[in-house]
Amino acid sequence: QKEVEQDPGPLSVPEGAIVSLNCTYSNSAFQYFMWYRQYSRKGPELLMYTYSSGNKEDGRFTAQVDKSSKYISLFIRDSQPSDSATYLCAPVNTGFQKLVFGTGTRLLVSP
Amino acid sequence: SQTIHQWPATLVQPVGSPLSLECTVEGTSNPNLYWYRQAAGRGLQLLFYSVGIGQISSEVPQNLSASRPQDRQFILSSKKLLLSDSGFYLCAWSRGFTGELFFGEGSRLTVL
Repeated sequence: QKEVEQDPGPLSVPEGAIVSLNCTYSNSAFQYFMWYRQYSRKGPELLMYTYSSGNKEDGRFTAQVDKSSKYISLFIRDSQPSDSATYLCAPVNTGFQKLVFGTGTRLLVSP
Repeated sequence: SQTIHQWPATLVQPVGSPLSLECTVEGTSNPNLYWYRQAAGRGLQLLFYSVGIGQISSEVPQNLSASRPQDRQFILSSKKLLLSDSGFYLCAWSRGFTGELFFGEGSRLTVL
């Protein structure tokens, strides 16, 4: 079983839609949950992160963690064409020395 | 402010040829440094990471090697490239062991 799994997509939505991007993980020691965004032919950049369970909101983005089911979600409200990118989840455990990424989900927002 | 430079941006190499990708970080000291590879349709695969000069940890056995000759310099090398080495190579740095990595622009390698 992979440590982190994501549906690779692509996920195509119209502008203004609510987007749900999901990730599952297997290691119950993970405590921080990072979301990275990667535009085509660029390096990823950190979008937001949450600690332990619960929600965290940042503008149009909401990250949600359910540790009981080992399930991570990123919601995008009022999606924009500029949100078209690949979104990678990366759970982290304390004391880590390496970051394990999911395969990423490619999102396409059409105007 | 901190910046990360990675080069070359694009290269096409024949099978069996050597490889050298270089990465430097500016504006910080003693960063953790990482090399990732992203193959088409696959996620980011961690290849090497380093927590200090001369300290290299390898994640995947393969024909690649890494070196850190200076505090803010990280080099990825190969003596003989394979077709399977094609991909998008990304260098990254972090301040200690946090989940926040800062990535370079990447180097796209095509092995023919």
